Amino acid sequence: DTEVTQTPKHLVMGMTNKKSLKCEQHMGHRAMYWYKQKAKKPPELMFVYSYEKLSINESVPSRFSPECPNSSLLNLHLHALQPEDSALYLCASSQVLGDQPQHFGDGTRLSIL
Amino acid sequence: KQEVTQIPAALSVPEGENLVLNCSFTDSAIYNLQWFRQDPGKGLTSLLLIQSSQREQTSGRLNASLDKSSGRSTLYIAASQPGDSATYLCAVRPRTSYDKVIFGPGTSLSVIP
Repeated sequence: DTEVTQTPKHLVMGMTNKKSLKCEQHMGHRAMYWYKQKAKKPPELMFVYSYEKLSINESVPSRFSPECPNSSLLNLHLHALQPEDSALYLCASSQVLGDQPQHFGDGTRLSIL
Repeated sequence: KQEVTQIPAALSVPEGENLVLNCSFTDSAIYNLQWFRQDPGKGLTSLLLIQSSQREQTSGRLNASLDKSSGRSTLYIAASQPGDSATYLCAVRPRTSYDKVIFGPGTSLSVIP
């Protein structure tokens, strides 16, 4: 069992839908990360939050909107996604920004129809 | 720009064999190097973390070495078991971007009973 919990595990949505991915950790970590991973590829960093403030945005399209409502929660709001956005979305956390190791959740498998 | 490569891309061995996975990186200016394991459809599990000042780390049947000057790391797995079947990724934390890690593409390992 992972200490970083992601919901839902699977999500299928149309290109006009709005949905959200959720990530939760109760380890007291103050840095949280979103990664995108395509099949047979390594994870690619999307966003980093440090102390609930957006620290890094890796030039991600605006159809992905992150939110960190408190130190335990990280959301990724999705709107008007494209088929190429289908991927495994991984959340991770660490004690503070730059600390290792990062602890990963099991991800949300997203499919865009 | 830091680039990380892993050889081989895939490996299939009979149970009980000792094996070596290779990771190479282009810029030796790193804080540390980490080896992860990823099971299909799951998140990443940290296996070993080697600081730039260290030469190797060991955990059970796993031994990771780091030669920073040559830009190489190896992950040695002793007496492989079917449960070791997974994708193994290495990741470096560059000194030029302390808050990010750069992942290699991974080696897919199958241990045949």
